[in-house]
Amino acid sequence: DIQMTQSPASLSASLGETVTIECRASEDIYNGLAWYQQKPGKSPQLLIYNANSLHTGVPSRFSGSGSGTQYSLKINSLQSEDVASYFCQQYYDYPPYTFGAGTKLELK
Amino acid sequence: EVQLVESGGGLVQPGRSMKLSCAASGFTFNNYDMAWVCQAPKKGLEWVATISYDGSSTYYRDSVKGRFTISRDNAKSTLYLQMDSLRSEDTATYYCARCDYAPFAYWGQGTLVTVSS
Repeated sequence: DIQMTQSPASLSASLGETVTIECRASEDIYNGLAWYQQKPGKSPQLLIYNANSLHTGVPSRFSGSGSGTQYSLKINSLQSEDVASYFCQQYYDYPPYTFGAGTKLELK
Repeated sequence: EVQLVESGGGLVQPGRSMKLSCAASGFTFNNYDMAWVCQAPKKGLEWVATISYDGSSTYYRDSVKGRFTISRDNAKSTLYLQMDSLRSEDTATYYCARCDYAPFAYWGQGTLVTVSS
């Protein structure tokens, strides 16, 4: 199974700041990577697929990049509504689909 | 608008069974693979099972193989998860999801399953 290592586990940032979350796969996943946002008490929502494609309706301040085993999610100009947990997930090699452990983003 | 509404969760004793349902609307259900994903309290996300658009193929995570069965009724636009021989470690919120260009492009609101005596 492909293991996904996500960092940091938590971070605190100020409004307007740029935030980056990293995800490392245990082997090459050829851009088969998605990012999800989960706000407190809500279900996860897809943000990014194919490592860098924005899902319908997702604000352009979110972006994804990377290749091989290293991927990142960047949030430009942090807004209060971005407070959430973020999860990466690989879908290059399945079953099983595997998720990172998540990053909890809070406001400073 | 894509809508997925789960139901059937609740409290169940270890070793017993429970069947979850997911009613889909706002899209042509029989065009899409569907999946179940779970999240234990205050934990991360775990894929549980996936079923192909026509029900001909199913996939499960190892820990539920032989105990859980994913199925669908395309005439009713409904996805199911039959969970047998439940264990305390199965306690989680279960989400159904529509598979698209990403495995879990759209999610329901989830239904909580608590396995406890």
